[in-house]
Amino acid sequence: RKEVEQDPGPFNVPEGATVAFNCTYSNSASQSFFWYRQDCRKEPKLLMSVYSSGNEDGRFTAQLNRASQYISLLIRDSKLSDSATYLCVVIHSGGYNKLIFGAGTRLAVHP
Amino acid sequence: GAVVSQHPSWVICKSGTSVKIECRSLDFQATTMFWYRQFPKQSLMLMATSNEGSKATYEQGVEKDKFLINHASLTLSTLTVTSAHPEDSSFYICSTRDSGGATDTQYFGPGTRLTVL
Repeated sequence: RKEVEQDPGPFNVPEGATVAFNCTYSNSASQSFFWYRQDCRKEPKLLMSVYSSGNEDGRFTAQLNRASQYISLLIRDSKLSDSATYLCVVIHSGGYNKLIFGAGTRLAVHP
Repeated sequence: GAVVSQHPSWVICKSGTSVKIECRSLDFQATTMFWYRQFPKQSLMLMATSNEGSKATYEQGVEKDKFLINHASLTLSTLTVTSAHPEDSSFYICSTRDSGGATDTQYFGPGTRLTVL
């Protein structure tokens, strides 16, 4: 079983739509959680951290459910520029705080 | 924000040759750098953790004699793919952590796309 699992998609949505991505992680010792965005043939870029209380950054809302080991990302009012692959990332405790990446969920926003 | 550069951005080589990829931290001193590999439609997989002045720590299944890592200074780490073969073709990305900053954030280089013929 992969440590971080995501639905690969693609999610094809029209501009203005609301879309939600889910992610599950297997290691209950995971302590930090993030969503990264990766454009085609580019490096990943941090989108936002995810906190147990839930957090929002503009059109993006992230939620963490530690009991279910589940992370979500909600994008409201999708823009064409939101088209990318969204990577769910967790960090375990100990060692060098390695980032463990999910394979990503692809989003395509169309006019 | 911090800037991490990689060189080259892409390389095409013949099977059996060795390829060196450089990762530079431009804004801060990076005692720790990470090397990842990403195959198409797959997640980034950590290959090794590189520490300035000491031996790198390799992940399970990554051959240390094939992927040589040198972290000789606080701003430069290199990954050498020795005797590259077509199955080594991948997107190699380094990242550094600014532990001296306000947040313990990792910054990624732009990646190096390796194609082995």
